[in-house]
Amino acid sequence: GENVEQHPSTLSVQEGDSAVIKCTYSDSASNYFPWYKQELGKRPQLIIDIRSNVGEKKDQRIAVTLNKTAKHFSLHITETQPEDSAVYFCAASIIRGKLTFGTGTRLTIIP
Amino acid sequence: DAGVIQSPRHEVTEMGQEVTLRCKPISGHNSLFWYRQTMMRGLELLIYFNNNVPIDDSGMPEDRFSAKMPNASFSTLKIQPSEPRDSAVYFCASSPETSFTSTDTQYFGPGTRLTVL
Repeated sequence: GENVEQHPSTLSVQEGDSAVIKCTYSDSASNYFPWYKQELGKRPQLIIDIRSNVGEKKDQRIAVTLNKTAKHFSLHITETQPEDSAVYFCAASIIRGKLTFGTGTRLTIIP
Repeated sequence: DAGVIQSPRHEVTEMGQEVTLRCKPISGHNSLFWYRQTMMRGLELLIYFNNNVPIDDSGMPEDRFSAKMPNASFSTLKIQPSEPRDSAVYFCASSPETSFTSTDTQYFGPGTRLTVL
């Protein structure tokens, strides 16, 4: 089955700086790559996603890039703010509906 | 839209007892997922229903776990008998799954925090 690795496990950045989280996946048939943000004690919430026919997608301060050849995708957050502090999960899907999640990155924004 | 609804939000039980977790998906969504989240294992998919039919239950840990979806607006996850290692947050998620070939956004419920003593 699909295997998703996520790095780093923890990340601290100064407020206003950029943060980058990277994920790799094992199965080249994966075609959907969402990113979820989970605040402490809350549910995971989708922040951005990308499909395999697109190389990059941007939504305000958040962007995701996908390199199908290398089988990796990355989340980029620019101009970080304190409210960006959370755990971020990447995921990949081969089979319709079935997501395999990475192990999460705890992002801390230092004021 | 009320979002995905789960109950109870917290459950504390003793080892050996039966536990039933409940989920109401977003109206109109035809796919429902049960996940378990722990520090050690992260977010794991337990079972996935489409149009009330179980499609993939390969993530269900063992026979003590069972899930049903009797209609489009209700699903249960049952653990019998419960064990301390079942302690986790259990999330239900739903998705519209409008395409036959690709995955749609999954919307998570607030979760049920289960503690088995």
